[in-house]
Amino acid sequence: DSGVTQTPKHLITATGQRVTLRCSPRSGDLSVYWYQQSLDQGLQFLIQYYNGEERAKGNILERFSAQQFPDLHSELNLSSLELGDSALYFCASSVLGWGPYNEQFFGPGTRLTVL
Amino acid sequence: TQLLEQSPQFLSIQEGENLTVYCNSSSVFSSLQWYRQEPGEGPVLLVTVVTGGEVKKLKRLTFQFGDARKDSSLHITAAQPGDTGLYLCAGASNNNDMRFGAGTRLTVKP
Repeated sequence: DSGVTQTPKHLITATGQRVTLRCSPRSGDLSVYWYQQSLDQGLQFLIQYYNGEERAKGNILERFSAQQFPDLHSELNLSSLELGDSALYFCASSVLGWGPYNEQFFGPGTRLTVL
Repeated sequence: TQLLEQSPQFLSIQEGENLTVYCNSSSVFSSLQWYRQEPGEGPVLLVTVVTGGEVKKLKRLTFQFGDARKDSSLHITAAQPGDTGLYLCAGASNNNDMRFGAGTRLTVKP
C-alpha cells in the first residue's frame, strides 16, 4: 500500500460523457501527478500540481482538466469522452515534486472504459 | 513519441536465466529511476541513479547509469517468477521533471 488512494477503481461510461477521477496523496506529500496508461502508449504524463498550483503539463488533452484542492487532494476531469480515452489513469504523489531523488508513490489506478 | 526508448518491449524467459533490459535516450538526464509495475497495481520505485557510470545493486538486480547519463541498463541474475512485471525507466530532465519510457514487460516462467 503506497498510501495514495484513488476512486473509483473502475468506471464504465459512454462516449460524449464526462467523468471525474479523484486522488488523495500520501500524508505530507505536496505534489500530485496524473498519468494515463494504455497498452500501446505506456505511461503518459498528463499534469503535475504542487501545493495547489499547476507545476508541469504533459500530453494532456484540452478535453481534460485537473485541479488540486487546499486539502491537497486532486481531481482529474475528463469530458467529451472518446473510445480512445479508455485506459488506466494513475495518480502519484511525492514530497516535493522535483530533484534527482524525487520518488513518486503511485496509487492503484482507475480503469476507465468508454463504450 | 517516447523520450526514453526501452528494449526489449517484451521478454519471456525461464526461471534461473539472466537478462538485461535497456533504457536509451538522445537526451542527458540529471537522474534516472527504475520502477516495477505488477498487474493491477501502480509502479513502485526500485532505484535512482544520479552519477554517470554509477552502478547500484539491489539483491539480484544490478542497475547501471551510462557514463554520458543518456542511457541505463537493468540486469537480473537468476530470474525468478516473482520478478515478472513491467519494468519502467524514468528520466529527469534539467528542470527535474520525470518522464517515463514505455517499459519492458518481463515474464519469468517456472
